[in-house]
Amino acid sequence: DIQLTQTPSSLSASVGDRVTFTCRASQDISNYLAWYQQKPGKIPKLLIYAVYTLESGVPSRFSGGGSGTVFTLTISSLQPDDVATYYCQEYNNAPALTFGGGTKVEIK
Amino acid sequence: QLQLQESGPGLVKPSETLALTCTVSGGSISSNYYYWGWVRQPPGKGLEWIGSIYYTGSTYYNPSLKSRVSISVDTSKDQFSLRLTSVTAADTAIYYCVPLRSGYYFDSWGRGTLVTVSS
Repeated sequence: DIQLTQTPSSLSASVGDRVTFTCRASQDISNYLAWYQQKPGKIPKLLIYAVYTLESGVPSRFSGGGSGTVFTLTISSLQPDDVATYYCQEYNNAPALTFGGGTKVEIK
Repeated sequence: QLQLQESGPGLVKPSETLALTCTVSGGSISSNYYYWGWVRQPPGKGLEWIGSIYYTGSTYYNPSLKSRVSISVDTSKDQFSLRLTSVTAADTAIYYCVPLRSGYYFDSWGRGTLVTVSS
């Protein structure tokens, strides 16, 4: 089974900061990785798939990167609306899937 | 735009079976483009994939739940269903039914339904 580890588990940054957090896979998952955003009290929302591809309507300040076992999600200029928990999800053996534990992003 | 709606009891007793149904609208469950999945989220915790099904009936389950889970599909009603047996308090969660685009990642998340396991 593939395990996904997200670091840090939480972070606090200022509006306008560039923030990056990581998702590490226990084995090579090529580019089979997606990211979701879940705002407090809301349902998850697909942000990025295939490591880099932004879902329609997602602001361009979000970007994904990485390959193999290490992946990143970057917010180029943190906005108050970005307060959320972010989850990575692998689909290397789709339709069998795994989620990471999440990174909670807060504003200082 | 696909819309999915979960239905089923909000309260289940320990050791009993949790049963939920998801109704798909705005598209056909027999689409070649989607698999159909169940994801759960315990209060204050992260997301856990439970399992997925294709309209043909092919199923895929989380190994940690496989012994207790079954997912079925009814194409005539555009519905798919989840059964989770021998539930405990640890199964208390919001349960989401979600379409899996090409079987890879989830889009069009529904509202989810909170299921509490308690006597």
